[in-house]
Amino acid sequence: AQSVSQHNHHVILSEAASLELGCNYSYGGTVNLFWYVQYPGQHLQLLLKYFSGDPLVKGIKGFEAEFIKSKFSFNLRKPSVQWSDTAEYFCAAASGGSYIPTFGRGTSLIVHP
Amino acid sequence: DSGVTQTPKHLITATGQRVTLRCSPRSGDLSVYWYQQSLDQGLQFLIQYYNGEERAKGNILERFSAQQFPDLHSELNLSSLELGDSALYFCASSLMGSNTGELFFGEGSRLTVL
Repeated sequence: AQSVSQHNHHVILSEAASLELGCNYSYGGTVNLFWYVQYPGQHLQLLLKYFSGDPLVKGIKGFEAEFIKSKFSFNLRKPSVQWSDTAEYFCAAASGGSYIPTFGRGTSLIVHP
Repeated sequence: DSGVTQTPKHLITATGQRVTLRCSPRSGDLSVYWYQQSLDQGLQFLIQYYNGEERAKGNILERFSAQQFPDLHSELNLSSLELGDSALYFCASSLMGSNTGELFFGEGSRLTVL
């Protein structure tokens, strides 16, 4: 069965610091990859997605992610975080015909002003 | 606002009881997915419906059931509730005709079982 691992469960940063959240997936075939964000008290929103093509994907709010097939990774990055980036971040992978996404456990990001 | 509507937002009930959670997908979306989010298990896929028919099943307990009605809204029924069923239940829908895994989530129904 497919699985998604997020290595950082809790991250605390100061404003303007750089962010990188790790994500690895287990499926070896064609896979679609996603990062979702969940702000406190809100629903999950799509940050960015990768289906094919350029492995460096740009999303909303200055986020980007890089797909590295050889490492089965899809890490999320942002050069300079803001207090408003405080949220829970989820990596997800979908594959295998049904394309029902499997989610990682999530990373809680707290950004101090 | 994702366009996916879930009710109720909060629900408190007792062990052994039964509850129904309701979801209306985005206009035009035929697929509805139910996920359970708990502190220890993360986001777990429960079940998917497509145009009224069950399409895929995940880690859904036998005490739980779901259905999708002709107007495409869906209900998740949770019965014989246990303390461990306390969680946030999300509904999501996907673009009509799309099979990419991209989902649009509702705000969730927070269930507390006492």
